[in-house]
Amino acid sequence: DTGVSQDPRHKITKRGQNVTFRCDPISEHNRLYWYRQTLGQGPEFLTYFQNEAQLEKSRLLSDRFSAERPKGSFSTLEIQRTEQGDSAMYLCASSRTLGEGGSYEQYFGPGTRLTVT
Amino acid sequence: SQQGEEDPQALSIQEGENATMNCSYKTSINNLQWYRQNSGRGLVHLILIRSNEREKHSGRLRVTLDTSKKSSSLLITASRAADTASYFCATVNGYGQNFVFGPGTRLSVLP
Repeated sequence: DTGVSQDPRHKITKRGQNVTFRCDPISEHNRLYWYRQTLGQGPEFLTYFQNEAQLEKSRLLSDRFSAERPKGSFSTLEIQRTEQGDSAMYLCASSRTLGEGGSYEQYFGPGTRLTVT
Repeated sequence: SQQGEEDPQALSIQEGENATMNCSYKTSINNLQWYRQNSGRGLVHLILIRSNEREKHSGRLRVTLDTSKKSSSLLITASRAADTASYFCATVNGYGQNFVFGPGTRLSVLP
């Protein structure tokens, strides 16, 4: 395995449509994170999984966003009823875990660029 | 609100010069990490410094951490044109789950 992969790399959709993105983490990593990044800004945390459990979700995340990680492997991020403000780069990252609850570095995928017209 | 805030927002230097970027944060951390992002690409991890460490080196990179001032700095020595990128600090909280990234410093290294 060479790294984190994301699919698709680019998505153009019309306002009101639903979109789903996929992330395949590095196989031995048990933590998986989703971020959103807009131009000129740093990644903004959306949600985080440890194995299959979704342990944290940003309060900024509307109910239109949902994420899953069945069986603790790949993850999907779905946006329902997309809005123009959802246009951004969606980044996925994975990491291992230190025994005491700390974190190793995150490995990022190339991102999915979403454009809502 | 974002935990880490990088300074300066943008930095332009000549090849061969050193580049220093700073990061300030607000609450206690488990560790602090620096990442690089080339235009339109994913982030790449550069270096991690734990809260009980004060300085770390990796190749041309030197990171310092001052927990009393809640600040960190990243020094890139003998910069190259290939170092042109955005650099982000990420603070990791006491439970090690939540990474919070700052808005980044955009570094331009001119040949």
